[in-house]
Amino acid sequence: DIVMTQSPDSLAVSLGERATINCKSSQSVLYSSNNKNYLAWYQQKPGQPPKLLIYWASTRESGVPDRFSGSGSGTDFTLTISSLQAEDVAVYYCQQYYSTPPFTFGPGTKVDIK
Amino acid sequence: EVQLVQSGAEVKKPGESLKISCKGSGYSFTSYWIGWVRQMPGKGLEWMGIIYPGDSDTRYSPSFQGQVTISADKSISTAYLQWSSLKASDTAMYYCARLVGIGWFDPWGQGTLVTVSS
Repeated sequence: DIVMTQSPDSLAVSLGERATINCKSSQSVLYSSNNKNYLAWYQQKPGQPPKLLIYWASTRESGVPDRFSGSGSGTDFTLTISSLQAEDVAVYYCQQYYSTPPFTFGPGTKVDIK
Repeated sequence: EVQLVQSGAEVKKPGESLKISCKGSGYSFTSYWIGWVRQMPGKGLEWMGIIYPGDSDTRYSPSFQGQVTISADKSISTAYLQWSSLKASDTAMYYCARLVGIGWFDPWGQGTLVTVSS
């Protein structure tokens, strides 16, 4: 099974500043035949279910603000919030869908306001 | 609007059985896999299994195989997660979610909190 790790476990960022979350997979999730990375990102605000932000590692879901962006390839990925807003306080999870089942999630990164 | 609406919170005793539900609307329920995800208190997301309501093809995470049963009734656009004998360690929030494309989940149900306590 592909194991997902995230760093840091938590971070605190000032309003308007950049937040960067890292995700690493135990093996590549890049499918060579279509050159796509099989990775998604979710946001879970307190008391709410997770919400899809990004799939194919960098494709923003409809309605997601453009301050959220995904990058990376192979085994190393990044979710960037370019200008942190108060409503972005949440836990963020990455998830691979390259080798399924099982669908595996990262352990999550908590983002707070400094 | 695509929606998944889950059944309400449950409080059960160890050894009791339970079946929780997830009703889909706003899309062709039989054309998308539905997944179940566990979130223990203060912890992360664990994928439990998925079902294709069109033919009830079901896949389980090895961690949950034999511990739960996933089923669906396509006539009422509803998926189920059930336990035959609950344990205290089953206390968690359980989410259903629609599998989209190759493998991301969207949307998610609001969650069903299951509390198992003597």
